Amino acid sequence: DGGITQSPKYLFRKEGQNVTLSCEQNLNHDAMYWYRQDPGQGLRLIYYSQIVNDFQKGDIAEGYSVSREKKESFPLTVTSAQKNPTAFYLCASSMSSMRLGSTDTQYFGPGTRLTVL
Amino acid sequence: KNEVEQSPQNLTAQEGEFITINCSYSVGISALHWLQQHPGGGIVSLFMLSSGKKKHGRLIATINIQEKHSSLHITASHPRDSAVYICAVRSGGSQGNLIFGKGTKLSVKP
Repeated sequence: DGGITQSPKYLFRKEGQNVTLSCEQNLNHDAMYWYRQDPGQGLRLIYYSQIVNDFQKGDIAEGYSVSREKKESFPLTVTSAQKNPTAFYLCASSMSSMRLGSTDTQYFGPGTRLTVL
Repeated sequence: KNEVEQSPQNLTAQEGEFITINCSYSVGISALHWLQQHPGGGIVSLFMLSSGKKKHGRLIATINIQEKHSSLHITASHPRDSAVYICAVRSGGSQGNLIFGKGTKLSVKP
């Protein structure tokens, strides 16, 4: 089945540790996104990638890093520099975000809930 | 002021009621999305619209571009409709990203 997967579903980390969240899609989508969701707030864009080997900072990129070495994979690393990492992280993909006025639907993964102990 | 405002924040309804969730935005947009987030966290796209009205089963979404307002209606609501409904707009720039509302938490009681 085509879809987008994230792992793990729940993740615990100690303060000061880096942790990497996985996101994989087999939809052959060019564009992939990472969002953060906090209680009572809308989703906020961390990073996005329009094509392999390219990515751009979103609104809240500080303390995060990404890579896009393969079309189907867009892992997110939460570094120790992220001051408040406990949140729900959602990955999404869309066919393309590069076209002018693109209105492509984004498909979301099931999310990873990260808790810093 | 948030660029995307939803109302109400929370909504409780009895099974069978007609439900309306509102979304107002303050930026120029190329499209508006309605999303549904289930209690487990997964998000499903319900509608994407740039004008007029769309219908899918018991769900209806409308948009008024001049008034910068959209509504999501649920007819004959059911407990399985309980979820958070999120409005998101794609700003009108060439590479506009999605701007999300805070969501409306709907609870439908049997």
